[in-house]
Order: sequence, then C-alpha cells, then structure tokens
Amino acid sequence: NAGVTQTPKFRILKIGQSMTLQCTQDMNHNYMYWYRQDPGMGLKLIYYSVGAGITDKGEVPNGYNVSRSTTEDFPLRLELAAPSQTSVYFCASSTTQGGGTEAFFGQGTRLTVV
Amino acid sequence: DAKTTQPTSMDCAEGRAANLPCNHSTISGNEYVYWYRQIHSQGPQYIIHGLKNNETNEMASLIITEDRKSSTLILPHATLRDTAVYYCIVRSNFGNEKLTFGTGTRLTIIP
Repeated sequence: NAGVTQTPKFRILKIGQSMTLQCTQDMNHNYMYWYRQDPGMGLKLIYYSVGAGITDKGEVPNGYNVSRSTTEDFPLRLELAAPSQTSVYFCASSTTQGGGTEAFFGQGTRLTVV
Repeated sequence: DAKTTQPTSMDCAEGRAANLPCNHSTISGNEYVYWYRQIHSQGPQYIIHGLKNNETNEMASLIITEDRKSSTLILPHATLRDTAVYYCIVRSNFGNEKLTFGTGTRLTIIP
C-alpha cells in the first residue's frame, strides 16, 4: 500500500514548455486534489475531483488542466509553462466513506520554470 | 471567505503542552473540524478530526466547545519534531466538498 505517489519529484521547465504531473493512489479513494504551494505561503487548491469522470476548479485553476479517467489517477497538465507556475505541487486523496475522513498527501513535485 | 481563524504563530517550550486555538464561528451542523500539520516542505499530515465530542488519538487531543464555534488542538508533550505549520479546517463530507487550507499557525517548539 503505497498511498499517494507523485512523479516526478523535481522538474525544471523552460517558459512555454508543457508537462504533466502524475498522481496515483492505491487506496480506492473517490476524492482527489491538486494544490500548489509557493515559498512561505499556504496551500492553494488548483483542481479537485469527486470521482472518475468528474473534476472541478479550485481557487487557482488558470494555466492548468486535469482529467480523471480512473479512480487511481489524477494527472495535472501545464500547457504553456510560465515563471508564475514555479511552485511545489501536492496531490492528495480522501474518501467519503463514513463520517469525516482524513486526506493523504503525496510528497510533492518541486517545479521551476525558467 | 475564510471559514477558520488561527493565530499566525506561537511558541511552546519543549516538553510542555502546546495548545493551538481555532475559531470557526460559522461552522454548520454537518461540518467536521480537521487538523493537519505541515513539517517543512513535506506534504501535509492529518492529525485529528471531530464533529461535536472531544477526541484523542496517539498524536493529539481535540477540544471542541459546546457551541462548536471554536476548538483547541492540544499536543500534550511537545517535542522539537512538532515544529510545523498547523492548519485547522472545517469541512463536511457531503456533496462536492473542497478541501481548502487557510494560512495556519506556525508553531515553534523552543528547546
């Protein structure tokens, strides 16, 4: 049981390049989330999903896209990288079974856009 | 619109109890109080949650006031490894509920 796995751990992108941050979970959780965290700041929700085939915008969705074709995977796509997207990205998952459940987080992807 | 209010920072002496307050005066009946912490550059870690009653686990205790408008997270014997940012979150488990974080409390454990 690996929990939430993010790849890659580190990445440097040039302005205008695109990439996909991968996130997979093996806990059969229906909820999945993507956050970004800028240096010294709190976590900002980018997108979330309540189940396969369903996604919704969070607080800061501009410049990103997501898809949720399976329960396990929730990739985050950056189409035209900009320096403002330099950040640490965290993926998380949780379930709604029972009353009040915890979210599990991955170890993060540190992205630098130059 | 912030659902919770926490102090920006707090210090606590090593070995003493750390009491972290959180105000959530607009909490609704089906919303839980969750606490997470983030140790430098790691992914946030779940600590504890509760609805109405006080809760305790191996990490901490959660005290929720009777009117549910505020709560306190208690780390009974703080160690240097408890230095982290602590987030108080209110969230229901029904419908398309986002999980959003505020700015949290930066807790520093002093040797």
